[in-house]
Amino acid sequence: DAMVIQNPRYQVTQFGKPVTLSCSQTLNHNVMYWYQQKSSQAPKLLFHYYDKDFNNEADTPDNFQSRRPNTSFCFLDIRSPGLGDAAMYLCATSRVTGATNEKLFFGSGTQLSVL
Amino acid sequence: AQKVTQAQTEISVVEKEDVTLDCVYETRDTTYYLFWYKQPPSGELVFLIRRNSFDEQNEISGRYSWNFQKSTSSFNFTITASQVVDSAVYFCALSDGVNRDDKIIFGKGTRLHILP
Repeated sequence: DAMVIQNPRYQVTQFGKPVTLSCSQTLNHNVMYWYQQKSSQAPKLLFHYYDKDFNNEADTPDNFQSRRPNTSFCFLDIRSPGLGDAAMYLCATSRVTGATNEKLFFGSGTQLSVL
Repeated sequence: AQKVTQAQTEISVVEKEDVTLDCVYETRDTTYYLFWYKQPPSGELVFLIRRNSFDEQNEISGRYSWNFQKSTSSFNFTITASQVVDSAVYFCALSDGVNRDDKIIFGKGTRLHILP
């Protein structure tokens, strides 16, 4: 059974049209992450939540926002998608912040296309 | 600064051959963690192994083995008797933080093709 679920698998949006990607988890992990992965590149951390505490990476554009209404769900909002935002967006969880010693559990990702 | 280098962008081998994926890391910390993740065509990254900087013992798990050498800052991954199902992108990653705001740094990945 999938433990980190991302919907939809593929998302198409128009240039400048807001889009929301969703992630849910059944692991009850307290940390949730959003990564952006462009073709043939390493996943790039956008931000993460430690419980309700939001941690934004310094180089994450303001165009990207996130919400975590409860432990199970986390959303990625792209307010005005540009062509450069087309990528795979990966959600991940861990029991404590992944930077210490815990492994990350990833969803299958949402492939975003911007037309 | 943290850095993970996977110099091999893409590797192709014939099934049943052994293959080694290289990973070289940089960090100024004495406490850190190294990881390998597999990303099959389905997209999700799957955790393979985690090592901490104080444990230099090599590890074997079935056909997979890992060689951690602090002297060369390397954490290489070998697949023995490769199979087509091993075809994927493999990422090496480094975490050198002990604080909640720290993060994992991924290498650029090595795309492995196992040819039947």
